[in-house]
Amino acid sequence: EVQLVESGGGLVQPGGSLRLSCAASGFTFSTYWMHWVRQIPGKGLVCVSRIKSDGSRTSYADSVKGRFTISRDNAKNTLYLQMNSLRAEDTAVYYCARDHYGANSVDYWGRGTLVTVSS
Amino acid sequence: DVVMTQSPLSLPVTLGQPASISCRSSQSLVHSDGNTYLNWFQLRPGQSPRRLIYKVSNRDSGVPDRFSGSGSGTDFTLKISRVEAEDVGVYYCMQGTQWPWTFGQGTKVEIK
Repeated sequence: EVQLVESGGGLVQPGGSLRLSCAASGFTFSTYWMHWVRQIPGKGLVCVSRIKSDGSRTSYADSVKGRFTISRDNAKNTLYLQMNSLRAEDTAVYYCARDHYGANSVDYWGRGTLVTVSS
Repeated sequence: DVVMTQSPLSLPVTLGQPASISCRSSQSLVHSDGNTYLNWFQLRPGQSPRRLIYKVSNRDSGVPDRFSGSGSGTDFTLKISRVEAEDVGVYYCMQGTQWPWTFGQGTKVEIK
């Protein structure tokens, strides 16, 4: 069974940093692209970042480019999102999701972790 | 970025009756490889998001056959043939044709 479990969320002050983790199990993590998607409370979903299976390629939404860094440790089956220079508008539930190769989509999601940026 | 527009944003339905959600994109979702990458997701409180449909009309494993997707180009539809209580939630369309992938605003389905 595919499982994705996010952690690392919490309350942080504007300008602060946070690192999210996503522990994957039930599939061969090292062969899949992975994604971070966020949902601002009461609003819709936004793709934040994605990373190739071997970590050699990454993409970011313009709103986080230069502030967020996606990475992965295939030996630990773990995906990361390093978030720096956090702003109030980064407050959201952050989900990690597995890529569906050949469908330009994501098929499995975690339950999410809440990040609150506030003073 | 491709803008995805859903309607309606709120959809009260009677149990056992059909429901339909529209999703329109600001540009054609036909990819250069000939595929159309349009997905539908369901979000229910306290649960992980669940994908229902990918590439316009392909139903995910375990998704009841009362859910169906259709459309082409810029106009797409998710239909529920007979709404059940467990279908309450927010439904999102998402395009995967162009990065960044983008979602519609969401349609809240509730029981009348």
